[in-house]
Amino acid sequence: AQSVTQPDIHITVSEGASLELRCNYSYGATPYLFWYVQSPGQGLQLLLKYFSGDTLVQGIKGFEAEFKRSQSSFNLRKPSVHWSDAAEYFCAVGERDDKIIFGKGTRLHILP
Amino acid sequence: ETGVTQTPRHLVMGMTNKKSLKCEQHLGHNAMYWYKQSAKKPLELMFVYNFKEQTENNSVPSRFSPECPNSSHLFLHLHTLQPEDSALYLCASSPLGGAEAFFGQGTRLTVV
Repeated sequence: AQSVTQPDIHITVSEGASLELRCNYSYGATPYLFWYVQSPGQGLQLLLKYFSGDTLVQGIKGFEAEFKRSQSSFNLRKPSVHWSDAAEYFCAVGERDDKIIFGKGTRLHILP
Repeated sequence: ETGVTQTPRHLVMGMTNKKSLKCEQHLGHNAMYWYKQSAKKPLELMFVYNFKEQTENNSVPSRFSPECPNSSHLFLHLHTLQPEDSALYLCASSPLGGAEAFFGQGTRLTVV
């Protein structure tokens, strides 16, 4: 069965520190992979996506993610977080012309 | 601004009321989705429409009734809801041949 696991429900980092949010997936074929961000009371905004090609993808707001097929992972990273990055982050998998399956989300807290 | 507009942004309704949520996209997308996001559960896919045809109903109670009159509009008709139906209802759309979903800002529904 298709699934997405985000093992960390909450993550707290200090402003200026580096960030890595974990995502593991279970999928029959090579999936399309996504990271979305959600600010309180808002919809989800696409940060980045991986379809094929270079396994390191760059997204908006200085985020990047790396697809590792051997580990079934697609972790999100940022070298230096800003207070405005505090939000909830969702990893998702899907395939062409099919629905997207979301993880449960990781809430990011930033310490000043 | 993702190009997906949901109205209203906030809705308070009694358990005997009938109301409708509206979603509109002019991105040329062919698929539209309703998701439910509540505080204690992960993002739940409710309904999927492809080219105005419902292709998925994830065991949603009949008090939620979707309608997709054309590829640009999606409604969620609500009647005799329960307090546990209070949640953020998110609409999304995706393009033909694509996979990523574009979300609206959601309708915050409170059932009293």
